[in-house]
Amino acid sequence: DVKVTQSSRYLVKRTGEKVFLECVQDMDHENMFWYRQDPGLGLRLIYFSYDVKMKEKGDIPEGYSVSREKKERFSLILESASTNQTSMYLCASSSPSAGGPYYEQYFGPGTRLTVT
Amino acid sequence: DQQVKQNSPSLSVQEGRISILNCDYTNSMFDYFLWYKKYPAEGPTFLISISSIKDKNEDGRFTVFLNKSAKHLSLHIVPSQPGDSAVYFCAASTARDDKIIFGKGTRLHILP
Repeated sequence: DVKVTQSSRYLVKRTGEKVFLECVQDMDHENMFWYRQDPGLGLRLIYFSYDVKMKEKGDIPEGYSVSREKKERFSLILESASTNQTSMYLCASSSPSAGGPYYEQYFGPGTRLTVT
Repeated sequence: DQQVKQNSPSLSVQEGRISILNCDYTNSMFDYFLWYKKYPAEGPTFLISISSIKDKNEDGRFTVFLNKSAKHLSLHIVPSQPGDSAVYFCAASTARDDKIIFGKGTRLHILP
């Protein structure tokens, strides 16, 4: 069973703080993704990574950065948190060799971030 | 521009009846379509998928139909059960990359 874990389920931060969201997967997947989910907007891709030290911008990268120093870990960084970054953040992973449907992504439980 | 559209934000269906969730797409290059289910405070979980070379895929109570000429797919759940109450996301992808484009989701309520 693929397991994707996220460091926190709930997080409250102040405006201007630097925020780190951590994601770890245990299935040796090459691909990792960060999304945010907002009511009425669905899942929007922030950043993704195809391999260690590689990153690609998604649809809404502004205000975020990422880090992938190890294959199993993908970090999302909010350099200076703002109230409009209050959201549910979801991490996912996938692999062409996972054995399931090629494009299936496995999601973590999410981190509900509130910026006050 | 939304490439994957779920035009119904919510849907209520009586328990035991058929639930039909609809999805439209604009990109004719999509070659794989997926449905994900999401409960509150949990991550989405994969439900069922269909390749663009097929027009139907069935898995137990869940069937996905694809109409390429209309750029439309639908998820049928029959019979609907209380545990089916969740948000359902339609998603699509191309062979060129591993990104998935998600729709905005439809919240399904199964009524007792």
